[in-house]
Amino acid sequence: RKEVEQDPGPFNVPEGATVAFNCTYSNSASQSFFWYRQDCRKEPKLLMSVYSSGNEDGRFTAQLNRASQYISLLIRDSKLSDSATYLCVVNAASKIIFGSGTRLSIRP
Amino acid sequence: GAGVSQSPRYKVTKRGQDVALRCDPISGHVSLYWYRQALGQGPEFLTYFNYEAQQDKSGLPNDRFSAERPEGSISTLTIQRTEQRDSAMYRCASSLLYESPGSGANVLTFGAGSRLTVL
Repeated sequence: RKEVEQDPGPFNVPEGATVAFNCTYSNSASQSFFWYRQDCRKEPKLLMSVYSSGNEDGRFTAQLNRASQYISLLIRDSKLSDSATYLCVVNAASKIIFGSGTRLSIRP
Repeated sequence: GAGVSQSPRYKVTKRGQDVALRCDPISGHVSLYWYRQALGQGPEFLTYFNYEAQQDKSGLPNDRFSAERPEGSISTLTIQRTEQRDSAMYRCASSLLYESPGSGANVLTFGAGSRLTVL
C-alpha cells in the first residue's frame, strides 16, 4: 500500500464549478499535512497547509480527518488558472511524502 | 541564494557512466530533501538531511545511489553505473528545520530540477 494515495484523475470541470479531491495516508503518526500545486514542467509549490480544525484560503478549503486518515481539498468557483496537478503531502517524523497527484483541468 | 539551485539542469549520459547532481539550498535552510519524479507521477522520496546528517535514506532505490551534504549546505546526489531506468527528473528541496505543526518551518521550496537521460 502506498503511504499517500490520491485519485489520479483527470478531473475535467467547467469554469465556476466546485471540485473536491481526497487523499488518504497510511502512517497514523503523521504530524503535518499540505497541498502542493504543480504546473506542467514546473516544480511543486506550496498551495496551503492543512490544519486539524480545517482551514480556508480564499476559494480553497482544506480539511483533515485524523481518525480516518484522509485529507481533502475543495476548490470553489474554479478558474482556468486552477488547471494543474494537486499533490497531497504528508510529514511523518520529518520524512515528507508526496502522493502521485490529481490532475485538474478547467474548461471555459 | 534566493532560491534552491540545481545543476546541471539537463544531463544526458551513457549507460554505465556515473553522474553527480548538485543542489544548493536556500541560505539558512537546515533540511534538504532529494526526490525523483517520473512523468505523470508525484515526487518519490529518496533521502533527506538535517544539517550534514543524513536522517533517512530509505528511499534510495539501491546501492548505486548515494547522497552527501558534508558541510550542511550544498548536497550532491551521485548515481553510479547508470541504467536506463534511472532516467527521470531529480528534484531537490529545502526547508527550515521542523519545529511545530503550523509553524511553516517544514514547508519545502523546490529547485527547478535536474533532468537525467540515460541512453
